[in-house]
Parts: sequence; structure tokens; C-alpha cells
Amino acid sequence: KNEVEQSPQNLTAQEGEFITINCSYSVGISALHWLQQHPGGGIVSLFMLSSGKKKHGRLIATINIQEKHSSLHITASHPRDSAVYICAVYSGGGADGLTFGKGTHLIIQP
Amino acid sequence: DSGVTQTPKHLITATGQRVTLRCSPRSGDLSVYWYQQSLDQGLQFLIQYYNGEERAKGNILERFSAQQFPDLHSELNLSSLELGDSALYFCASSPTLRRGGLQETQYFGPGTRLLVL
Repeated sequence: KNEVEQSPQNLTAQEGEFITINCSYSVGISALHWLQQHPGGGIVSLFMLSSGKKKHGRLIATINIQEKHSSLHITASHPRDSAVYICAVYSGGGADGLTFGKGTHLIIQP
Repeated sequence: DSGVTQTPKHLITATGQRVTLRCSPRSGDLSVYWYQQSLDQGLQFLIQYYNGEERAKGNILERFSAQQFPDLHSELNLSSLELGDSALYFCASSPTLRRGGLQETQYFGPGTRLLVL
């Protein structure tokens, strides 16, 4: 079974700072998802990666397949970025679903 | 708004009871996924249905069952409820254009908050 570790568990930063959240997994994967969960509980899919790098607005996600590691970066962070960020992996094979990390709780202070 | 709807939003029930959670996927999406989020276990994948058939199975208890109907809406049935079943239950959908859907962006519903007393 794939083990997914996220770091840090909690992160508090000032508005405008560059944020990095890390995700490591133990077994090779077919896809990695980054999700954002708002304080109200709603979940939004930010990225789905199988290789390389993706960018959407101020968010950048990268994945290194050889090192079994992905990072989510937020540039020019804003208080509205405060949320829990969750990494999830799909190991492939078809019969199993996503395995989730425990999430990183991010607070951006004005 | 993701386009995925879930009902009810909140549900309070007693141990031993049975409840049904309902999910309507985005228009055109063929896959529906069910997830459980509890304080101690975090998010867990329960089950995926694709066009009416079970496609993938995760940590779903035998007391739980799901189905997807011809109109593609899905129901998650939870029976013989225990205190530990209290959680947020999310439904998500994806188009499933290729590779079973787990390598696609998923669109999450707002969740159903279940409290078992």
C-alpha cells in the first residue's frame, strides 16, 4: 500500500510570502492530485500530475517521479489561500482508488 | 460551484440505524467516487462507480454499499451505524475519458455531514 507523507503539517506565514508544501510517497504512481479544502469543508481539485510541472495563476505544482516527491508552491500568498492542502496518489492497476496524505494546514496572516 | 450535488447536507441519526446519501454528478460525467473524511482517519477512498458498474474499491465497510443508477446519480447506503461512522462523506465525479478516471481531475460535491448519536 502506498504511504503518503506531507510536510509541514501546519504552516503559518505572512501575506506575500512564497509557500512550499511537500508530498512524498512510497510506491510508484500513475497520478498525483493536489486538493484544497476550505475552512467550510468544501474540496477543490487544484492539480492532477503524472510528470513535470503545472501552473495555474499563483499556484505551481511539480513532481519528481524518480524521487517519489511532489511540491505545491504558492507565490505572493494571500489570506484567502488559508486552507488545508491535501496530496493524493493513484498507484495504478485500476482496482484501487486514491491514497491521501493527512494534509497541510496553511494560515496566511495579513 | 463544482456542479456536483449531494443531499442531505446534514444528517443526525442514532446507532443501529440506516441512512442513504445521494449524489448527482456533473452533467456528462460517467464516474462517481465516494470518500469518507473523519477526524482520526482523514480522507479515505470508499468506492468508484463508472457508468453503473463498480470500478474500484477502497476501505469500504461491509455495512456500507453503493450503487449508480442509469441516470448516473449514485447512492451510498450506510447500515447498522456506529458512533465511529460519524464523518463527512464526499462524492466526486469525473468524465472518465480514459484510464478509469483516477488520472483525471475530480469535481467534489459539498459533502454530507453525518452525526451518529
